[in-house]
Amino acid sequence: GAVVSQHPSRVICKSGTSVKIECRSLDFQATTMFWYRQFPKQSLMLMATSNEGSKATYEQGVEKDKFLINHASLTLSTLTVTSAHPEDSSFYICSARTAINNSPLHFGNGTRLTVT
Amino acid sequence: AQSVSQHNHHVILSEAASLELGCNYSYGGTVNLFWYVQYPGQHLQLLLKYFSGDPLVKGIKGFEAEFIKSKFSFNLRKPSVQWSDTAEYFCAVNAGSSASKIIFGSGTRLSIRP
Repeated sequence: GAVVSQHPSRVICKSGTSVKIECRSLDFQATTMFWYRQFPKQSLMLMATSNEGSKATYEQGVEKDKFLINHASLTLSTLTVTSAHPEDSSFYICSARTAINNSPLHFGNGTRLTVT
Repeated sequence: AQSVSQHNHHVILSEAASLELGCNYSYGGTVNLFWYVQYPGQHLQLLLKYFSGDPLVKGIKGFEAEFIKSKFSFNLRKPSVQWSDTAEYFCAVNAGSSASKIIFGSGTRLSIRP
């Protein structure tokens, strides 16, 4: 079945540095990718939707200058957390789907970000 | 705006008990509905989905869900749970377009006593 690879699975960084998370669709063309954030014992919160070749659409309350999303190809989207702070520590999950109507959503394994 | 409500935050059952997890959504138009499961230490997996047709949807591992349009509900059911069903369950909805975003409910943690 379709696979979405997310890398890295865990990252620890110092406050003020930037971290890049990659999300790749391995065997299908992901025209749309979604980035979610999951706080402990809470639901997935949609951060942004990105369509290949266009700017991401951010949800209300999500800082686009802090969470940079790039979807330059049909198989790769990246999320860069810029100038990370401890409150950015969270579990980030990407998902992807094709343009085919009613196509399923495939999830990456997530990235645990810890900012010290 | 779309929203999804899961009223049960934590459900504890004994093995062989029947399960029903509630899910209500708010959106006036055509919707696609999903249930996802996240087993401990694993990523999200699709349990079942509803796009159109028979409102009673059968999924994997013996789960099913019923779409009741008049109640804006999509409750998940299983007649007899197993210890291996211990997981977090998420209901999700999108507005019927492949490009539209999928909104998740807050999740229900299911704990099964062996």
